[in-house]
Amino acid sequence: GENVEQHPSTLSVQEGDSAVIKCTYSDSASNYFPWYKQELGKGPQLIIDIRSNVGEKKDQRIAVTLNKTAKHFSLHITETQPEDSAVYFCAASKGGGGNYQLIWGAGTKLIIKP
Amino acid sequence: SQTIHQWPATLVQPVGSPLSLECTVEGTSNPNLYWYRQAAGRGLQLLFYSVGIGQISSEVPQNLSASRPQDRQFILSSKKLLLSDSGFYLCAWSIAPLETQYFGPGTRLLVL
Repeated sequence: GENVEQHPSTLSVQEGDSAVIKCTYSDSASNYFPWYKQELGKGPQLIIDIRSNVGEKKDQRIAVTLNKTAKHFSLHITETQPEDSAVYFCAASKGGGGNYQLIWGAGTKLIIKP
Repeated sequence: SQTIHQWPATLVQPVGSPLSLECTVEGTSNPNLYWYRQAAGRGLQLLFYSVGIGQISSEVPQNLSASRPQDRQFILSSKKLLLSDSGFYLCAWSIAPLETQYFGPGTRLLVL
């Protein structure tokens, strides 16, 4: 079955610098890759997603890249701000066969240092 | 607009007691519904999902069960709680599989 690995588990960057979080997946049939942000004590919230028919997607300071050959995708946050501090989760769809659920990474705690 | 509610927000229960967590969605019809558990400092574990009334799929065998008595109501239950059931329980909905999942505020459960 699908397995998603996420690195690093904790990332500390200086305010204004860029942050990159990487995920790898195992199921080549996976075709949907969302990224969620979870603030303390709250439920996760979608920040960006990408489908397998594109290699990159951008939304202001946030971008996601997908390498289907290598089976990995990354979240890029530029010009980081204090409000970017949170836990970020990647996920990958489980693939075909009528079971379209998400498999989640373990999360990355992003700390923005002032 | 759509909203998702969960209650209670916090719950402390003794081992062996029953459990009932409720989730309701407003502003949409026939949503896909999900129950997740999140252990402290860990990722999300999908417990159950439902694509319609009375249709429940279980992802992890355990002493929990789920029911969907109405289109926009999803209930997580247990007859006898275990210590290992402690965690943060999140309900979510999406318009369809592989679309954005919208999460509720969560229920923090502590089993003593």
